[in-house]
Amino acid sequence: NAGVTQTPKFRILKIGQSMTLQCTQDMNHNYMYWYRQDPGMGLKLIYYSVGAGITDKGEVPNGYNVSRSTTEDFPLRLELAAPSQTSVYFCASSYKRDTSYEQYFGPGTRLTVT
Amino acid sequence: DAKTTQPPSMDCAEGRAANLPCNHSTISGNEYVYWYRQIHSQGPQYIIHGLKNNETNEMASLIITEDRKSSTLILPHATLRDTAVYYCIVRGIYSGAGSYQLTFGKGTKLSVIP
Repeated sequence: NAGVTQTPKFRILKIGQSMTLQCTQDMNHNYMYWYRQDPGMGLKLIYYSVGAGITDKGEVPNGYNVSRSTTEDFPLRLELAAPSQTSVYFCASSYKRDTSYEQYFGPGTRLTVT
Repeated sequence: DAKTTQPPSMDCAEGRAANLPCNHSTISGNEYVYWYRQIHSQGPQYIIHGLKNNETNEMASLIITEDRKSSTLILPHATLRDTAVYYCIVRGIYSGAGSYQLTFGKGTKLSVIP
């Protein structure tokens, strides 16, 4: 299994541009998440999904959109990029095993908006 | 989810045990203690979790006090590759959607010294 893969690894955007961060998992996990991590800080949840066709907002959803048309894919869309969206973005997936909700993270996408 | 408190940084000599403390004095009866770590620039990695009994796996041991207000993650023989930020997270098991979010604080930066 490749686990959770994210593309691209790095991206520089100009203010006002849009882009989609791709996330794919091959573990057949129902639950998927998008986090952002600003320098020196912990991760903050942007959006999550509990299954195909179901998404919901996390702690910091403004400026982002998501969709979940398949179990495997959970793309994150940035519309009208702003410098405040400069961050590292991590996608994760998980499943329920007994009492555990271990989340498996991708390698991240480093985004700079200038 | 209950709030956690961790020291911002710790050092450990290579080959020695690393003991990382976490306070969670407001933890409730149905909340689990999770530990994740993040090696520089990578996505977080699940380590271990527990409710009230001590737990051990191939990576680490988790010691939870009898009153459950604090816990210690133990890496028995720290190596240079264990240098990372370690996150202690307390979360409950709920039945509704959105039950699977993890709230990451700033964690403890562990430096393993040769």
